[in-house]
Amino acid sequence: ETGVTQTPRHLVMGMTNKKSLKCEQHLGHNAMYWYKQSAKKPLELMFVYSLEERVENNSVPSRFSPECPNSSHLFLHLHTLQPEDSALYLCASSRGGAGSYNEQFFGPGTRLTVL
Amino acid sequence: AQSVTQPDIHITVSEGASLELRCNYSYGATPYLFWYVQSPGQGLQLLLKYFSGDTLVQGIKGFEAEFKRSQSSFNLRKPSVHWSDAAEYFCAVGEPGSARQLTFGSGTQLTVLP
Repeated sequence: ETGVTQTPRHLVMGMTNKKSLKCEQHLGHNAMYWYKQSAKKPLELMFVYSLEERVENNSVPSRFSPECPNSSHLFLHLHTLQPEDSALYLCASSRGGAGSYNEQFFGPGTRLTVL
Repeated sequence: AQSVTQPDIHITVSEGASLELRCNYSYGATPYLFWYVQSPGQGLQLLLKYFSGDTLVQGIKGFEAEFKRSQSSFNLRKPSVHWSDAAEYFCAVGEPGSARQLTFGSGTQLTVLP
């Protein structure tokens, strides 16, 4: 595998379910990101991890819980979601840590539908 | 706070025609500027980026973009569009010195007619 992979690609869940999204990067990067992409809206940055520590949390509801066990893996744990949380969730990674800037490489996304 | 405007939600061009996608940004200094492309069911792929230097930037797939400070613009161009260019295009702004925040525009959907 190369680049940034995400599983599952599609997920349908009820509002009472608990599920997790997984992201894995094979690029040797130090920073990882979760974005939410809703129809007709700009991409929204949700979380940023740099060297496995969360450095940004853009006022995301607590029903979304990120986890970064190492620099290659990033999870987004989902619990009691709402229908308006239905969206494409994109993971990205970049080489630099805090204080540097490098382009972000994106995974294909997980299409989430909350019923 | 920085912001990005892509005024065209949807553009349709014929194959072989030239293309220009508009992007305007709001930022106090010169930001880092990016263009990404997203094909259906896929993530975003970087087309090109501007950090400093020459204001005309060459990217992949025959795309180029020009940074115009006086107009706060970073428009994307291609002289001859191919059917495979049909996708959604996003302009993004990054704050120099920051590893984190990219602000994206709402995107422009490109349709290519045969």
